[in-house]
Amino acid sequence: NAGVMQNPRHLVRRRGQEARLRCSPMKGHSHVYWYRQLPEEGLKFMVYLQKENIIDESGMPKERFSAEFPKEGPSILRIQQVVRGDSAAYFCASSPSAGGRYEQYFGPGTRLTVT
Amino acid sequence: KQEVTQIPAALSVPEGENLVLNCSFTDSAIYNLQWFRQDPGKGLTSLLLIQSSQREQTSGRLNASLDKSSGRSTLYIAASQPGDSATYLCAVIAGGSEKLVFGKGTKLTVNP
Repeated sequence: NAGVMQNPRHLVRRRGQEARLRCSPMKGHSHVYWYRQLPEEGLKFMVYLQKENIIDESGMPKERFSAEFPKEGPSILRIQQVVRGDSAAYFCASSPSAGGRYEQYFGPGTRLTVT
Repeated sequence: KQEVTQIPAALSVPEGENLVLNCSFTDSAIYNLQWFRQDPGKGLTSLLLIQSSQREQTSGRLNASLDKSSGRSTLYIAASQPGDSATYLCAVIAGGSEKLVFGKGTKLTVNP
């Protein structure tokens, strides 16, 4: 049973470009979470999605950031017009169900560098 | 607002020593608490999950305890090894929420 998959593992973008980060949850998991780890800071929650629905986006910046989890295919975190401050490690996690009682399994992360 | 604090920020011990990492959280209304390990440039590996109704969990040389009323958890590592060197993260899920709130971690170095 493969774990949570994220790609790409490393992504370099120039300021103003778009970044697309992909996350495939573990088999049988329909709940996806995105977290961001800025340099020298702890991990911060960004968004929680179920298939075709955004459940909690309280941690998402209001502008330039969006997330989706379509019926088919991976979850995508999209960052438009990237700026240097977006450079960070972005982690995806998945769980089999909701309720806050289930373990979240993390992927290896995508390290975004904005030049 | 839930806040998680981990002390110390860094710890260096000789191989074979038993050690304790500390985690505290401000709101005791939690669903569960997870301890993770993060190696440099890598993802997170879940070590132990303690449900709010539990007092402790054990896995091999690791033992985690939870005291909800005081807002504290400890991770005990027995007979530490150089391979245990990593950053250890504590995170809680608040009641009514699905999101993990993380501490900033304790960077552990075990010297051979």
